Amino acid sequence: DGGITQSPKYLFRKEGQNVTLSCEQNLNHDAMYWYRQDPGQGLRLIYYSQIVNDFQKGDIAEGYSVSREKKESFPLTVTSAQKNPTAFYLCASGVSQPQHFGDGTRLSIL
Amino acid sequence: SQELEQSPQSLIVQEGKNLTINCTSSKTLYGLYWYKQKYGEGLIFLMMLQKGGEEKSHEKITAKLDEKKQQSSLHITASQPSHAGIYLCGAAREGAQKLVFGQGTRLTINP
Repeated sequence: DGGITQSPKYLFRKEGQNVTLSCEQNLNHDAMYWYRQDPGQGLRLIYYSQIVNDFQKGDIAEGYSVSREKKESFPLTVTSAQKNPTAFYLCASGVSQPQHFGDGTRLSIL
Repeated sequence: SQELEQSPQSLIVQEGKNLTINCTSSKTLYGLYWYKQKYGEGLIFLMMLQKGGEEKSHEKITAKLDEKKQQSSLHITASQPSHAGIYLCGAAREGAQKLVFGQGTRLTINP
């Protein structure tokens, strides 16, 4: 079945550590997105990519990095520079807008 | 203030009752997307509205777009427990292949 797979479902980060969240899609979509969701808030855009080897910063890109080496994959790295990383992270894909979402990764601090 | 405001933020209704959720934009709308989210899960795309006056339905859920008011409403008829969750609207901006989201409306259905 076509869809978006995010892994892991739960992730714990130690102080000063970088962690990478995986996002893979087999929908053949050009556009992929990373959003952060905090309790009681809507989604805030971290990074998005409309084509392989190209990506743009969203509204809250500081402390995060991404790559888009393959159409199917758009991993997100939460760096040690992100001082408040505890949140629910959602990956999405679409033809031109985010229409399909993964099940999310919940990141917590150890 | 938020660029996209949803109201109410929380809604509790008795099973079988109708309800409406609103999404109001402070800027011109170039497309409005509605999603449903169950707690701790991803978003499920419900429908997209692009033209003023457009109305779409999916099962017992109907959404309308009022371009002049820069507002969209989501109406659920004869609510069921399966309708419970968080409803989010997302707005497309001119020339931008990304969405701005509202803060969500948490819907609880009481039996």
